[in-house]
Amino acid sequence: SAVISQKPSRDICQRGTSLTIQCQVDSQVTMMFWYRQQPGQSLTLIATANQGSEATYESGFVIDKFPISRPNLTFSTLTVSNMSPEDSSIYLCSGWGGGAKNIQYFGAGTRLSVL
Amino acid sequence: GESVGLHLPTLSVQEGDNSIINCAYSNSASDYFIWYKQESGKGPQFIIDIRSNMDKRQGQRVTVLLNKTVKHLSLQIAATQPGDSAVYFCAENTGFQKLVFGTGTRLLVSP
Repeated sequence: SAVISQKPSRDICQRGTSLTIQCQVDSQVTMMFWYRQQPGQSLTLIATANQGSEATYESGFVIDKFPISRPNLTFSTLTVSNMSPEDSSIYLCSGWGGGAKNIQYFGAGTRLSVL
Repeated sequence: GESVGLHLPTLSVQEGDNSIINCAYSNSASDYFIWYKQESGKGPQFIIDIRSNMDKRQGQRVTVLLNKTVKHLSLQIAATQPGDSAVYFCAENTGFQKLVFGTGTRLLVSP
């Protein structure tokens, strides 16, 4: 199985600031994704992180608010820009492809609180 | 602990009982389904998957059933243990490995 590490694991931020979350996979994966999980709710896909090109965003999410980078097959970043309290959530990174089972694995998440 | 699952439906069982967690999915074109387990403070952990050309798949103490006619998935856990206590999500692959997650069910196992 792929091991996915996220940094930071949690943070408390002031409104109007930005936070960049890092996701590192211990092996090359074909696809990487970013999800949001609001308190007490399910996971919602934010975007597909594409290597070397712009991310593909889902309805309701835009690049200006959630810029994403993926410089190689093992690393991606998600920035939450100009934060407001409504951005308080768990942000999760996942990776798929590259292993025999082709299972989508998840990191432990970054718990963000915006004051 | 983390606040995952505070507002989710809850299934309470006794240790040793069998548990059945249900899920309705939305997209009849989805061809791959997964069950994940999420413990407090952790990311979702893969349990078992099933492709749309199957209606049943068994793993270790777990069985997934797929009814495409009514777009329904279930996860059966045999001899439920306290360590099975978690929030369980079904997810459907809507294409290009993009997953749509169900609302989730919190499983509470009493000793």
